Amino acid sequence: AQKVTQAQTEISVVEKEDVTLDCVYETRDTTYYLFWYKQPPSGELVFLIRRNSFDEQNEISGRYSWNFQKSTSSFNFTITASQVVDSAVYFCALMTTDSWGKLQFGAGTQVVVTP
Amino acid sequence: GAGVSQSPRYKVAKRGQDVALRCDPISGHVSLFWYQQALGQGPEFLTYFQNEAQLDKSGLPSDRFFAERPEGSVSTLKIQRTQQEDSAVYLCASSLVGRNNEQFFGPGTRLTVL
Repeated sequence: AQKVTQAQTEISVVEKEDVTLDCVYETRDTTYYLFWYKQPPSGELVFLIRRNSFDEQNEISGRYSWNFQKSTSSFNFTITASQVVDSAVYFCALMTTDSWGKLQFGAGTQVVVTP
Repeated sequence: GAGVSQSPRYKVAKRGQDVALRCDPISGHVSLFWYQQALGQGPEFLTYFQNEAQLDKSGLPSDRFFAERPEGSVSTLKIQRTQQEDSAVYLCASSLVGRNNEQFFGPGTRLTVL
């Protein structure tokens, strides 16, 4: 069985602060994919990143960065110099060979950025 | 259109009514997924199509839920005899062939059952 845990329900920051969102996953599969999605107030889930289980290289895309650590089963997401437009719910998700096609989402973390 | 579209965006039904929710995937996307998102939670997988074939329906919560994609493009999720616990946002997503590809989501249909 697989599971995704996002322990932080809500994080509030002031603009320009950094914010890190935690994601811990559980799976017995050795091949799997991890995803992050953003859900702004409009409701549409926006794809941010996909990583496979064999690639532990950290990634940076603009103000976004991701830290994948298999040893701790974590795939954390950092927004640097946050902006008001970053306010949204962020979901971490897992897809395994046991359930190809199915995204298993965490409960999400609400990020509130105030000016 | 550029993205996945869903209609209606909002639906209010009386308990016991049947509803039909429509999804138009991105043109050329072979795979289509339905998810259910309860308030304050992450989306939960319902079912998956590749072209017109429904390859996985393990997430459908009961036999009142039925999905189809007869021509491998537009899909309809039907809920019969709606119950209050069916109230949720129903999200549709599509992707290129290959189950591990990123899924592009529509804006969802918010269903409220009174």
